[in-house]
Amino acid sequence: GDSVTQMEGPVTLSEEAFLTINCTYTATGYPSLFWYVQYPGEGLQLLLKATKADDKGSNKGFEATYRKETTSFHLEKGSVQVSDSAVYFCALRAKGQNFVFGPGTRLSVLP
Amino acid sequence: EAQVTQNPRYLITVTGKKLTVTCSQNMNHEYMSWYRQDPGLGLRQIYYSMNVEVTDKGDVPEGYKVSRKEKRNFPLILESPSPNQTSLYFCASRTSGRADTQYFGPGTRLTVL
Repeated sequence: GDSVTQMEGPVTLSEEAFLTINCTYTATGYPSLFWYVQYPGEGLQLLLKATKADDKGSNKGFEATYRKETTSFHLEKGSVQVSDSAVYFCALRAKGQNFVFGPGTRLSVLP
Repeated sequence: EAQVTQNPRYLITVTGKKLTVTCSQNMNHEYMSWYRQDPGLGLRQIYYSMNVEVTDKGDVPEGYKVSRKEKRNFPLILESPSPNQTSLYFCASRTSGRADTQYFGPGTRLTVL
């Protein structure tokens, strides 16, 4: 079945550091790919998405590119802030199927 | 404001005592889901509903029931809760469509003693 693998962390960075959270997937066909963020005590919120190969999703300084050849959707940000501390989930949805989530990566950004 | 609401936010109960967690959305979404979140396992889908009176099992349905009598509501029922159902539960909704965003409720933290 479809699956998502991501680094579990925790990831601890200093403010203004560069962030990469790796995400790879296994799916039949061409799924849509998503990154969701969960701030402490809250539900998940969509951060960005991409629906086809080579699409780049971006939001709030975060970016991820749909790489079909490597089945990856790595999340990057050039300069993290303390307010970016959260849990980040990579997810996919194949056509006609339900969402499949990765285990989540906890990010802590220190001032 | 578009939102998904859940109640209660926190619940401590005992083994075998039936409980219901309510979920409501105000976006007229056809599709609603329940997930549980456990450390190291991410989100796992319990049940989902494509529309009123249409429900189906997700990946971990054992010990849970749902109903969808109205489009906006999708309650999760635990007829006889057990300690292994201690978890953080999220309700979500979305419209149909390949890349449609899911909107999540704030979560319900359930402890079964």
